[in-house]
Amino acid sequence: DTTVKQNPRYKLARVGKPVNLICSQTMNHDTMYWYQKKPNQAPKLLLFYYDKILNREADTFEKFQSSRPNNSFCSLYIGSAGLEYSAMYLCASSRDRNTGQLYFGEGSKLTVL
Amino acid sequence: GQQVKQSSPSLTVQEGGISILNCDYENDMFDYFAWYKKYPDNSPTLLISVRSNVDKREDGRLTVFLNKSGKHFSLHITASQPEDTAVYLCAAGASSSFSKLVFGQGTSLSVVP
Repeated sequence: DTTVKQNPRYKLARVGKPVNLICSQTMNHDTMYWYQKKPNQAPKLLLFYYDKILNREADTFEKFQSSRPNNSFCSLYIGSAGLEYSAMYLCASSRDRNTGQLYFGEGSKLTVL
Repeated sequence: GQQVKQSSPSLTVQEGGISILNCDYENDMFDYFAWYKKYPDNSPTLLISVRSNVDKREDGRLTVFLNKSGKHFSLHITASQPEDTAVYLCAAGASSSFSKLVFGQGTSLSVVP
């Protein structure tokens, strides 16, 4: 099974409210990534895990939190959603950092009102 | 600034013709280059990839050309078919982590009869 599952597929949130997105894979992949995708823009890397080690990109450091309690599961947490967080959030995994092939989930579409 | 750019947001090609998709990058440290294909409402999947030690890789109807001095790579699809209609995302990664990919905005390819 090479699928990456994301929940929820669609999320509506009010400004200022928290949002928690979930990703899982059963491929025993070492690395997991979260990307933010807005229309007509490139997917933007937010943060990623090498095994249990969380790495956050400099410009999104304080805006997103994440946890990876086990190899299969990874979450993306927004403490206080703003309108600018409306986007598709894509989770991806790869066997390890030396393997270029990413397996993507179908995405979680977040709309903040 | 955007490190990986696809200058053409869309491309229309006649069925049976050659589709040429282009990608430019800025970071000299990139040495892994990939093309992902995305159908509407589906997640991106890896199509073909190449490392910087080669300047060309063929796989069936697909060929990736890499021009490192020009910081440019392209995907050629010969005998284009309607099922090739999709969004194509180029991506690049550095040897420190091939799986930490930077993506372009995507080019929407339409193959018409």
